[in-house]
Amino acid sequence: QKEVEQNSGPLSVPEGAIASLNCTYSDRGSQSFFWYRQYSGKSPELIMSIYSNGDKEDGRFTAQLNKASQYVSLLIRDSQPSDSATYLCAVNNGPNVDYKLSFGAGTTVTVRA
Amino acid sequence: KAGVTQTPRYLIKTRGQQVTLSCSPISGHRSVSWYQQTPGQGLQFLFEYFSETQRNKGNFPGRFSGRQFSNSRSEMNVSTLELGDSALYLCASSLGRNTEAFFGQGTRLTVV
Repeated sequence: QKEVEQNSGPLSVPEGAIASLNCTYSDRGSQSFFWYRQYSGKSPELIMSIYSNGDKEDGRFTAQLNKASQYVSLLIRDSQPSDSATYLCAVNNGPNVDYKLSFGAGTTVTVRA
Repeated sequence: KAGVTQTPRYLIKTRGQQVTLSCSPISGHRSVSWYQQTPGQGLQFLFEYFSETQRNKGNFPGRFSGRQFSNSRSEMNVSTLELGDSALYLCASSLGRNTEAFFGQGTRLTVV
Protein backbone atom coordinates (compact mmCIF):
# COMPACT_ATOMS: atom_id res chain seq x y z
CA GLN A 1 0.00 0.00 0.00
CA LYS A 2 1.36 3.39 -0.98
CA GLU A 3 1.86 5.86 1.86
CA VAL A 4 -0.06 8.63 0.10
CA GLU A 5 -2.50 8.11 -2.76
CA GLN A 6 -4.25 10.74 -4.83
CA ASN A 7 -7.18 10.44 -7.20
CA SER A 8 -5.93 9.75 -10.66
CA GLY A 9 -6.03 12.54 -13.18
CA PRO A 10 -5.90 14.38 -15.27
CA LEU A 11 -8.77 16.53 -14.08
CA SER A 12 -10.27 18.97 -16.55
CA VAL A 13 -12.69 21.64 -15.32
CA PRO A 14 -14.24 24.69 -17.00
CA GLU A 15 -13.24 28.13 -15.84
CA GLY A 16 -15.28 29.21 -12.85
CA ALA A 17 -16.06 25.66 -11.72
CA ILE A 18 -14.94 23.84 -8.58
CA ALA A 19 -12.01 21.44 -8.83
CA SER A 20 -12.01 18.69 -6.20
CA LEU A 21 -8.83 16.80 -5.34
CA ASN A 22 -8.66 13.84 -3.00
CA CYS A 23 -5.89 12.17 -1.05
CA THR A 24 -5.69 9.20 1.33
CA TYR A 25 -2.79 8.21 3.57
CA SER A 26 -1.77 5.03 5.33
CA ASP A 27 -0.02 6.20 8.53
CA ARG A 28 -2.80 6.69 11.08
CA GLY A 29 -0.39 8.62 13.31
CA SER A 30 0.26 11.34 10.71
CA GLN A 31 -0.13 14.80 12.15
CA SER A 32 0.34 17.36 9.40
CA PHE A 33 -0.93 17.57 5.87
CA PHE A 34 -0.02 19.82 3.00
CA TRP A 35 -1.03 20.66 -0.54
CA TYR A 36 1.56 21.84 -3.02
CA ARG A 37 1.05 23.22 -6.51
CA GLN A 38 3.67 22.50 -9.15
CA TYR A 39 3.72 24.18 -12.52
CA SER A 40 5.45 22.37 -15.34
CA GLY A 41 9.21 22.74 -15.05
CA LYS A 42 9.00 24.44 -11.66
CA SER A 43 9.42 23.32 -8.07
CA PRO A 44 6.48 22.61 -5.72
CA GLU A 45 4.90 25.63 -4.05
CA LEU A 46 3.09 25.26 -0.73
CA ILE A 47 -0.52 26.44 -0.97
CA MET A 48 -2.25 24.92 2.06
CA SER A 49 -1.42 23.26 5.34
CA ILE A 50 -3.91 21.61 7.70
CA TYR A 51 -3.34 19.98 11.06
CA SER A 52 -6.74 19.30 12.63
CA ASN A 53 -10.00 17.75 11.49
CA GLY A 54 -12.37 19.98 9.60
CA ASP A 55 -12.09 22.63 6.95
CA LYS A 56 -9.52 25.34 6.42
CA GLU A 57 -10.15 28.08 3.91
CA ASP A 58 -7.63 30.39 2.25
CA GLY A 59 -8.99 32.51 -0.55
CA ARG A 60 -10.34 30.22 -3.27
CA PHE A 61 -8.76 27.14 -1.67
CA THR A 62 -10.36 24.94 1.00
CA ALA A 63 -8.59 21.99 2.57
CA GLN A 64 -10.57 19.34 4.40
CA LEU A 65 -9.14 16.77 6.81
CA ASN A 66 -10.75 13.65 8.25
CA LYS A 67 -8.22 11.74 10.33
CA ALA A 68 -10.64 8.93 11.17
CA SER A 69 -11.01 8.18 7.46
CA GLN A 70 -7.35 9.06 6.75
CA TYR A 71 -8.53 11.41 4.06
CA VAL A 72 -7.59 14.94 3.03
CA SER A 73 -8.98 16.95 0.15
CA LEU A 74 -8.52 20.25 -1.61
CA LEU A 75 -11.25 22.28 -3.26
CA ILE A 76 -10.44 25.04 -5.71
CA ARG A 77 -13.40 27.35 -6.15
CA ASP A 78 -13.90 29.64 -9.15
CA SER A 79 -11.10 27.84 -11.02
CA GLN A 80 -8.92 30.01 -13.21
CA PRO A 81 -6.63 29.06 -16.11
CA SER A 82 -3.71 29.99 -13.84
CA ASP A 83 -4.75 27.11 -11.56
CA SER A 84 -3.71 24.64 -14.27
CA ALA A 85 -0.91 22.69 -12.60
CA THR A 86 -0.12 19.45 -10.81
CA TYR A 87 -1.31 19.34 -7.20
CA LEU A 88 0.66 17.25 -4.74
CA CYS A 89 -0.66 15.97 -1.45
CA ALA A 90 2.02 15.61 1.25
CA VAL A 91 1.76 13.94 4.63
CA ASN A 92 4.16 14.17 7.55
CA ASN A 93 4.57 10.89 9.36
CA GLY A 94 3.63 10.26 12.95
CA PRO A 95 5.52 11.28 16.09
CA ASN A 96 7.01 7.88 16.81
CA VAL A 97 8.94 7.49 13.61
CA ASP A 98 11.74 9.45 12.05
CA TYR A 99 10.93 12.59 10.12
CA LYS A 100 9.63 12.07 6.59
CA LEU A 101 7.32 14.00 4.30
CA SER A 102 5.63 11.59 1.91
CA PHE A 103 4.07 12.73 -1.36
CA GLY A 104 1.32 11.42 -3.54
CA ALA A 105 1.89 11.03 -7.27
CA GLY A 106 -0.01 14.26 -7.95
CA THR A 107 -3.16 15.17 -9.82
CA THR A 108 -2.85 17.30 -12.94
CA VAL A 109 -5.58 19.91 -13.24
CA THR A 110 -6.42 21.70 -16.46
CA VAL A 111 -8.81 24.64 -16.35
CA ARG A 112 -10.54 25.22 -19.70
CA ALA A 113 -11.19 28.84 -20.63
CA LYS B 1 12.90 37.07 3.48
CA ALA B 2 15.04 34.97 1.16
CA GLY B 3 13.72 31.57 0.12
CA VAL B 4 15.50 28.28 -0.24
CA THR B 5 18.43 28.53 -2.62
CA GLN B 6 19.78 25.59 -4.57
CA THR B 7 22.90 25.59 -6.68
CA PRO B 8 23.61 24.86 -9.40
CA ARG B 9 20.31 25.01 -11.28
CA TYR B 10 21.44 22.72 -14.08
CA LEU B 11 24.14 20.09 -14.37
CA ILE B 12 25.23 17.72 -17.09
CA LYS B 13 27.50 14.89 -15.98
CA THR B 14 28.90 11.73 -17.50
CA ARG B 15 28.22 8.24 -16.20
CA GLY B 16 30.66 7.30 -13.47
CA GLN B 17 31.32 10.85 -12.33
CA GLN B 18 30.22 12.27 -9.02
CA VAL B 19 28.25 15.41 -8.27
CA THR B 20 27.64 17.68 -5.29
CA LEU B 21 24.50 19.77 -4.95
CA SER B 22 24.06 22.59 -2.48
CA CYS B 23 21.07 23.92 -0.57
CA SER B 24 20.82 27.03 1.59
CA PRO B 25 17.66 26.97 3.72
CA ILE B 26 15.44 29.82 4.78
CA SER B 27 17.06 31.75 7.60
CA GLY B 28 16.17 30.14 10.93
CA HIS B 29 15.18 26.79 9.42
CA ARG B 30 17.17 23.93 10.85
CA SER B 31 15.57 21.06 8.96
CA VAL B 32 16.63 20.35 5.40
CA SER B 33 15.18 17.52 3.32
CA TRP B 34 16.19 16.28 -0.10
CA TYR B 35 13.94 14.73 -2.73
CA GLN B 36 14.39 13.22 -6.16
CA GLN B 37 11.66 13.86 -8.71
CA THR B 38 11.32 11.86 -11.91
CA PRO B 39 8.33 11.52 -14.25
CA GLY B 40 7.94 7.84 -13.46
CA GLN B 41 8.50 7.81 -9.70
CA GLY B 42 7.27 11.20 -8.59
CA LEU B 43 8.77 12.83 -5.51
CA GLN B 44 10.94 10.40 -3.60
CA PHE B 45 12.39 11.18 -0.17
CA LEU B 46 16.19 10.96 -0.01
CA PHE B 47 17.12 12.13 3.49
CA GLU B 48 16.49 14.73 6.15
CA TYR B 49 18.93 16.63 8.33
CA PHE B 50 18.29 18.59 11.48
CA SER B 51 21.04 20.38 13.37
CA GLU B 52 23.74 18.53 11.41
CA THR B 53 22.23 15.11 12.16
CA GLN B 54 20.62 12.84 9.61
CA ARG B 55 17.28 11.86 11.10
CA ASN B 56 15.96 9.70 8.31
CA LYS B 57 17.04 8.22 5.01
CA GLY B 58 14.93 7.04 2.10
CA ASN B 59 15.33 3.89 0.09
CA PHE B 60 18.25 4.94 -2.09
CA PRO B 61 21.62 3.25 -2.63
CA GLY B 62 24.65 4.29 -0.64
CA ARG B 63 25.89 6.29 -3.63
CA PHE B 64 23.56 9.01 -2.39
CA SER B 65 24.85 10.83 0.65
CA GLY B 66 24.45 14.15 2.32
CA ARG B 67 25.53 16.36 5.13
CA GLN B 68 24.51 19.48 6.93
CA PHE B 69 26.74 22.22 8.23
CA SER B 70 26.47 24.25 11.42
CA ASN B 71 24.82 27.11 9.51
CA SER B 72 22.11 24.65 8.33
CA ARG B 73 23.31 24.68 4.74
CA SER B 74 23.24 21.22 3.26
CA GLU B 75 24.93 19.34 0.48
CA MET B 76 24.09 16.08 -1.19
CA ASN B 77 26.52 13.98 -3.13
CA VAL B 78 25.92 11.31 -5.71
CA SER B 79 28.89 9.14 -6.63
CA THR B 80 29.36 6.86 -9.62
CA LEU B 81 26.52 8.46 -11.53
CA GLU B 82 24.15 6.28 -13.53
CA LEU B 83 21.81 7.26 -16.36
CA GLY B 84 18.88 6.62 -14.02
CA ASP B 85 20.07 9.35 -11.68
CA SER B 86 18.89 11.95 -14.17
CA ALA B 87 16.21 13.85 -12.28
CA LEU B 88 15.17 17.06 -10.63
CA TYR B 89 16.70 17.19 -7.15
CA LEU B 90 14.76 19.29 -4.72
CA CYS B 91 15.67 20.62 -1.34
CA ALA B 92 13.09 21.76 1.21
CA SER B 93 13.60 23.55 4.49
CA SER B 94 11.39 23.84 7.54
CA LEU B 95 11.53 24.77 11.21
CA GLY B 96 11.17 21.11 12.14
CA ARG B 97 8.76 18.23 12.42
CA ASN B 98 5.17 18.94 11.45
CA THR B 99 5.89 22.42 10.18
CA GLU B 100 5.55 23.76 6.68
CA ALA B 101 8.32 22.85 4.25
CA PHE B 102 9.37 25.18 1.46
CA PHE B 103 11.16 24.07 -1.66
CA GLY B 104 14.04 25.57 -3.56
CA GLN B 105 14.00 25.87 -7.36
CA GLY B 106 15.72 22.52 -7.72
CA THR B 107 18.79 21.26 -9.54
CA ARG B 108 18.14 19.47 -12.80
CA LEU B 109 20.77 16.79 -13.24
CA THR B 110 21.28 15.09 -16.57
CA VAL B 111 23.60 12.10 -16.76
CA VAL B 112 24.84 11.21 -20.23
